[in-house]
Amino acid sequence: AQKVTQAQTEISVVEKEDVTLDCVYETRDTTYYLFWYKQPPSGELVFLIRRNSFDEQNEISGRYSWNFQKSTSSFNFTITASQVVDSAVYFCALSEASYNAGNNRKLIWGLGTSLAVNP
Amino acid sequence: DSGVTQTPKHLITATGQRVTLRCSPRSGDLSVYWYQQSLDQGLQFLIQYYNGEERAKGNILERFSAQQFPDLHSELNLSSLELGDSALYFCASSVVGLSYNEQFFGPGTRLTVL
Repeated sequence: AQKVTQAQTEISVVEKEDVTLDCVYETRDTTYYLFWYKQPPSGELVFLIRRNSFDEQNEISGRYSWNFQKSTSSFNFTITASQVVDSAVYFCALSEASYNAGNNRKLIWGLGTSLAVNP
Repeated sequence: DSGVTQTPKHLITATGQRVTLRCSPRSGDLSVYWYQQSLDQGLQFLIQYYNGEERAKGNILERFSAQQFPDLHSELNLSSLELGDSALYFCASSVVGLSYNEQFFGPGTRLTVL
């Protein structure tokens, strides 16, 4: 069975601190996708990144970076120099890979990490 | 703006009632997914439709049903509502393709059952 664990329920930091959100996943599939979504206080889900299981390169996008390690089944998310606007709940999610259009690619979600960035 | 619309934004109703949540996917997207976000269970997949056909079911109660219409909009029907059905219901859509395509989420419908 597929499972995503975000052990950190809440994190509180002071602005400009770096913060890492942990994500550990379980799957029997050899091909799969991992995601991070952001849910700000307004409630919408905002897509941040997708990573497929064959691509273990770390990725950096501005102040955001992601570290994918298959050996430890982890896909951690780091925010550098955090800002108040980064305050949100962050979700890690997992999906099976399918190369047939229309096949189910439901997302399996972690419980989220609530990040509070204080001024 | 993801391009996915959901109506209504908020819904307050009483136990035992029936409600319908509506979702319009992004233009060109044939797949629609419904998710429920509750305080005790987090985000859970409910059901998926692809071009009008049900493709997969997740943790969807028998009191809940959904359909996707020829114009590709989808409706989630919740009946015999209970207090525990209070949650944020998201619809997501994705484009047709052989490689993975992101699911784009609507703003959600917040359902409160009193």
